[in-house]
Amino acid sequence: DVKVTQSSRYLVKRTGEKVFLECVQDMDHENMFWYRQDPGLGLRLIYFSYDVKMKEKGDIPEGYSVSREKKERFSLILESASTNQTSMYLCASNKGHSYEQYFGPGTRLTVT
Amino acid sequence: GNSVTQMEGPVTLSEEAFLTINCTYTATGYPSLFWYVQYPGEGLQLLLKATKADDKGSNKGFEATYRKETTSFHLEKGSVQVSDSAVYFCALIIRNAGNMLTFGGGTRLMVKP
Repeated sequence: DVKVTQSSRYLVKRTGEKVFLECVQDMDHENMFWYRQDPGLGLRLIYFSYDVKMKEKGDIPEGYSVSREKKERFSLILESASTNQTSMYLCASNKGHSYEQYFGPGTRLTVT
Repeated sequence: GNSVTQMEGPVTLSEEAFLTINCTYTATGYPSLFWYVQYPGEGLQLLLKATKADDKGSNKGFEATYRKETTSFHLEKGSVQVSDSAVYFCALIIRNAGNMLTFGGGTRLMVKP
């Protein structure tokens, strides 16, 4: 079974803190994605990566950055957390041109 | 651009009731269509898919037909169970135009015993 794991299920941070969200997949997938999930808005793509050290902006990249130093790991970074970044963050991965994405369980981030 | 519109929830049904969750889309190319499901406390998982017009995707008693003429992909199940309580997301990908999923807003289904 494909497994996508995320470092924390719940996280509480203060405004202005630097926040790291980690995602690891164990199936040698080329592509990895970060989404945020908000009620009524579905999932919105923040960033994605199709190879090590490669990254592309998604629909809502402002306030976020990413890092992919190893194929299995994709990190989302909030340089200076703000309250409007309180959300559920979901990581996903897939292989090559496959359409199916495999999702992690999500990290619920609260910024106070 | 591409967009997916789902009926707003929550949808509350009694066990064994018939389920329909509406999904319509707009797309600049020729999409493949998906339904993903998110059970409480979990990530999304693919429920079913259809890659061309008139295809029917089916899984776990759920089914959806790709209707190009009405740009729709409604999810149906003949008899829901309490264990079907979850959030359902309709999504599309434009083939040969990248690997990006466009999601609808999600519909929460609550099934009561």
